[in-house]
Amino acid sequence: KNEVEQSPQNLTAQEGEFITINCSYSVGISALHWLQQHPGGGIVSLFMLSSGKKKHGRLIATINIQEKHSSLHITASHPRDSAVYICAVRGPGGGADGLTFGKGTHLIIQP
Amino acid sequence: GAGVSQSPSNKVTEKGKDVELRCDPISGHTALYWYRQRLGQGLEFLIYFQGNSAPDKSGLPSDRFSAERTGESVSTLTIQRTQQEDSAVYLCASSPTPGPTNYGYTFGSGTRLTVV
Repeated sequence: KNEVEQSPQNLTAQEGEFITINCSYSVGISALHWLQQHPGGGIVSLFMLSSGKKKHGRLIATINIQEKHSSLHITASHPRDSAVYICAVRGPGGGADGLTFGKGTHLIIQP
Repeated sequence: GAGVSQSPSNKVTEKGKDVELRCDPISGHTALYWYRQRLGQGLEFLIYFQGNSAPDKSGLPSDRFSAERTGESVSTLTIQRTQQEDSAVYLCASSPTPGPTNYGYTFGSGTRLTVV
């Protein structure tokens, strides 16, 4: 079973700061997802990646397959970015494996 | 529909009763997943359906839990003889036909189950 570790667990930052959230996993994967869960509980899929780097607006996700590590970056952070960010990995079986989730990083951006 | 629809959005039930949760995936999405999130906990995988293949039930926590899906349409998750430990948000997600890696998930808004 894959072990997914996220750090930090909690992060409070000021508006405008550059944010980095890290995710490490123990076993080879077919894909890694970054999810955003808002206070109301709704979950949005931000990125799915299996190599390299993806960018969407102020969000950037990178993955290093050899090191079994991924990072989610937020540039020019804003209070509306406050949410729980969850890293999830899918095993090498692809769709036959359900996601294994990290415990999440609770991000608060203060104005 | 445009997204993954789950119903009910909230359910309060008495311990020992059976409950049924429903998930309507995005039309054309062949893969459907059920997850559970207990209060203050991370997400847990429960069950996976892919087309007409036998489902992957490896995440179901006990034989009180079962799920069905007919073809590529609606899925129902049934919990029999509910216990207080079953209280959680139950999330459904769907995705297009799995390729090597290149597909994403769309999550429903969840069903908040409270067992009293």
